[in-house]
Amino acid sequence: NAGVTQTPKFQVLKTGQSMTLQCAQDMNHNSMYWYRQDPGMGLRLIYYSASEGTTDKGEVPNGYNVSRLNKREFSLRLESAAPSQTSVYFCASSEQGARINTEAFFGQGTRLTVV
Amino acid sequence: AQKITQTQPGMFVQEKEAVTLDCTYDTSDQSYGLFWYKQPSSGEMIFLIYQGSYDEQNATEGRYSLNFQKARKSANLVISASQLGDSAMYFCAMREARIISWGKLQFGAGTQVVVTP
Repeated sequence: NAGVTQTPKFQVLKTGQSMTLQCAQDMNHNSMYWYRQDPGMGLRLIYYSASEGTTDKGEVPNGYNVSRLNKREFSLRLESAAPSQTSVYFCASSEQGARINTEAFFGQGTRLTVV
Repeated sequence: AQKITQTQPGMFVQEKEAVTLDCTYDTSDQSYGLFWYKQPSSGEMIFLIYQGSYDEQNATEGRYSLNFQKARKSANLVISASQLGDSAMYFCAMREARIISWGKLQFGAGTQVVVTP
């Protein structure tokens, strides 16, 4: 049972470098999400994809781009990393985003440090 | 505007005691869902319990129960008979039914619980 798989688990970047966080789910879910977690702020939504082929901004999209490559995969790209993007990033998926009772399943998280 | 408020940043509780974690929310929707997640020190997010806005009874899952007071817009998590393994960060989250929200889960800031022997 893989569930939601994120890679990498840890990453250190220099300011200005770019990188892509990968996420894949094997539960045939329609909706996928990227969150960032910072101390004292809970999880904040960066981008989400309600279904294959659609993406939309969340609360904190600046400095990020996403691609919903297919139903399984949803990647998050940092084009020019900044220290403010130091955070723990979580990918999540849920069966059908518009239904209120569907829980989200989370990946293990990526701890990103930008120096 | 913050939609989910968890006012207790941290709590200590003795083993075998019950603990209540507060959560208030803000929505104008009639249809919404409330969730609690646990995040142990290892970092993964574990779903605990769900309450729908139209559910007449409070949700229960083993030692977890949800004290849902719709008029007060509160959804407090009660953990009975605390165990050392309950030490973790706990997050309250809400999903609104409106299509414009597309089922996004919105989280509170979390409450850190430490269970002591």
